Amino acid sequence: AQSVAQPEDQVNVAEGNPLTVKCTYSVSGNPYLFWYVQYPNRGLQFLLKYITGDNLVKGSYGFEAEFNKSQTSFHLKKPSALVSDSALYFCAVRDRLYNQGGKLIFGQGTELSVKP
Amino acid sequence: DAGVTQSPTHLIKTRGQQVTLRCSPKSGHDTVSWYQQALGQGPQFIFQYYEEEERQRGNFPDRFSGHQFPNYSSELNVNALLLGDSALYLCAMWTSGRTGELFFGEGSRLTVL
Repeated sequence: AQSVAQPEDQVNVAEGNPLTVKCTYSVSGNPYLFWYVQYPNRGLQFLLKYITGDNLVKGSYGFEAEFNKSQTSFHLKKPSALVSDSALYFCAVRDRLYNQGGKLIFGQGTELSVKP
Repeated sequence: DAGVTQSPTHLIKTRGQQVTLRCSPKSGHDTVSWYQQALGQGPQFIFQYYEEEERQRGNFPDRFSGHQFPNYSSELNVNALLLGDSALYLCAMWTSGRTGELFFGEGSRLTVL
């Protein structure tokens, strides 16, 4: 079965420093991977996705993610963190069995706190 | 703005009651999914509708049911509410095909007392 793990419940970073939010996955076949961000009392906002091709994926708000097949990881990164990046981040993998739609399987989430 | 509208935004029910949540996807988007997000958890897939039929279902009991209308809007119904049904219920739509992404509405926050 497809699964995603986010090993850190919380990540604390000082503003201006680089940040990494970790994600590992377990899938059969090639993975479709996603990162979403959620601000308090809001829905999820799409940040970026990996489908195929370049292992470094660039997304919204200066975020990027590195796909590593050998380590089955898809870590989210940003070179310089902002206080406004403080939020809940979710990694997800798509069930590829269906051409139409399909479901996302989410990790438990990582709370990112960026301090001034 | 993904263009997914959900209503109501907040509601409070008591155990045993029934609730209906509504979702209107952006025009032209015909596949609607529902997720449940309990406090401190990642979203869990409930089911997906396409062409007015339930196409895929997650591990949720039959108390959870849905409907999709010809204009692609959708409803999520939950019967015999339990305290554990308290959660944020998210409606979402895929942008396109196999390589699209899932866009979410702002959710309906259900509290069961």
